Amino acid sequence: QKEVEQDPGPLSVPEGAIVSLNCTYSNSAFQYFMWYRQYSRKGPELLMYTYSSGNKEDGRFTAQVDKSSKYISLFIRDSQPSDSATYLCAMSGSLNTNAGKSTFGDGTTLTVKP
Amino acid sequence: GAVVSQHPSWVICKSGTSVKIECRSLDFQATTMFWYRQFPKQSLMLMATSNEGSKATYEQGVEKDKFLINHASLTLSTLTVTSAHPEDSSFYICSASVGDLADTQYFGPGTRLTVL
Repeated sequence: QKEVEQDPGPLSVPEGAIVSLNCTYSNSAFQYFMWYRQYSRKGPELLMYTYSSGNKEDGRFTAQVDKSSKYISLFIRDSQPSDSATYLCAMSGSLNTNAGKSTFGDGTTLTVKP
Repeated sequence: GAVVSQHPSWVICKSGTSVKIECRSLDFQATTMFWYRQFPKQSLMLMATSNEGSKATYEQGVEKDKFLINHASLTLSTLTVTSAHPEDSSFYICSASVGDLADTQYFGPGTRLTVL
């Protein structure tokens, strides 16, 4: 069993829809939770990261972490065609664990249709 | 913002040849650089961690004699795939870091390697 499982998709929604992307994990030592966006044939770019449980909002994006359920989500409001990309969740352990050693999900490919 | 470049962006080579991929941090000095491999529709798999002036630390299952990493300066790391075979065909991505947290790590655009 993988340490991080991500809904594989693909996901296709109309412009303006609310998108929910999800990951579950098994390692209770994970403390930092990241979401990356990766356009085709490009490297990932960090969207948001959160520490421990709770919500974090940045513009149209909201990240939620529920450590009791080992479940994280990324919500995208008012989705735009430019949001079409693959979204990767990633997790890492204690503060002393370098982010470069994060464990990544396989990614969910999102298409937002105009 | 911080920019990381990779060169080449794509390369096709014959089986048995070696290929060198460069990773540069353009406007900052990176304390650590990472090399990942990503197969289609799969996650990033960390191959090795490299610090300037010291030997790279390879992840379990990654052959250090096949994937040679040189970190000559705080802005340049290279990955050489030696005696490449078709199964080495993949998307290779580097990242450069100035700290421990996710918002201090910057990814390059990746290099697509195809071995014929």
